[in-house]
Amino acid sequence: DAGVTQSPTHLIKTRGQQVTLRCSPKSGHDTVSWYQQALGQGPQFIFQYYEEEERQRGNFPDRFSGHQFPNYSSELNVNALLLGDSALYLCASSLRRAYNEQFFGPGTRLTVL
Amino acid sequence: KQEVTQIPAALSVPEGENLVLNCSFTDSAIYNLQWFRQDPGKGLTSLLLIQSSQREQTSGRLNASLDKSSGRSTLYIAASQPGDSATYLCAVLYGNNRLAFGKGNQVVVIP
Repeated sequence: DAGVTQSPTHLIKTRGQQVTLRCSPKSGHDTVSWYQQALGQGPQFIFQYYEEEERQRGNFPDRFSGHQFPNYSSELNVNALLLGDSALYLCASSLRRAYNEQFFGPGTRLTVL
Repeated sequence: KQEVTQIPAALSVPEGENLVLNCSFTDSAIYNLQWFRQDPGKGLTSLLLIQSSQREQTSGRLNASLDKSSGRSTLYIAASQPGDSATYLCAVLYGNNRLAFGKGNQVVVIP
């Protein structure tokens, strides 16, 4: 049983560019949440997708957007990159109908130069 | 505001000693609490999940307690080993189905 997978592993971009990160949830899970973890900090909630719609959103600007596909996989898009967007981006999957354990992927390390 | 605090931020212990990591949260209306392990530059590995109705959970050398009324959880790691060196994160799940994390306890076990 594959766990949560994320791609790419690492990414280097320059300011002003756009980036797309991808996540495949654990088999059987229908909810995907995205978190941003800056160096030395705990992860911060970005948003959550269920039934292909954004259901919850944290305190992040509209430059951060996402999508969920019918197979439950998800994308995180960040436009007009800033130096401060450099972080580890984590994807978590869970079952929507129960407030259960959330499983995390290995993350994507984004560096903005 | 749903805040999670972990103290101490960093600690070092000799191999074989027991580790005690503390987590406190301001809003006691939680659904569950998870402890995670994070190695440098890596993702999060779930260690223990405690439902709001439970007082503790155990897995091998790990034991986590939960006191919802006082907003506290403690992770105990018995007989620490160098391989236990990592950052340990506490996360609380609220009714909005999002996890609120602390900043972590960075642990070094000295051989």
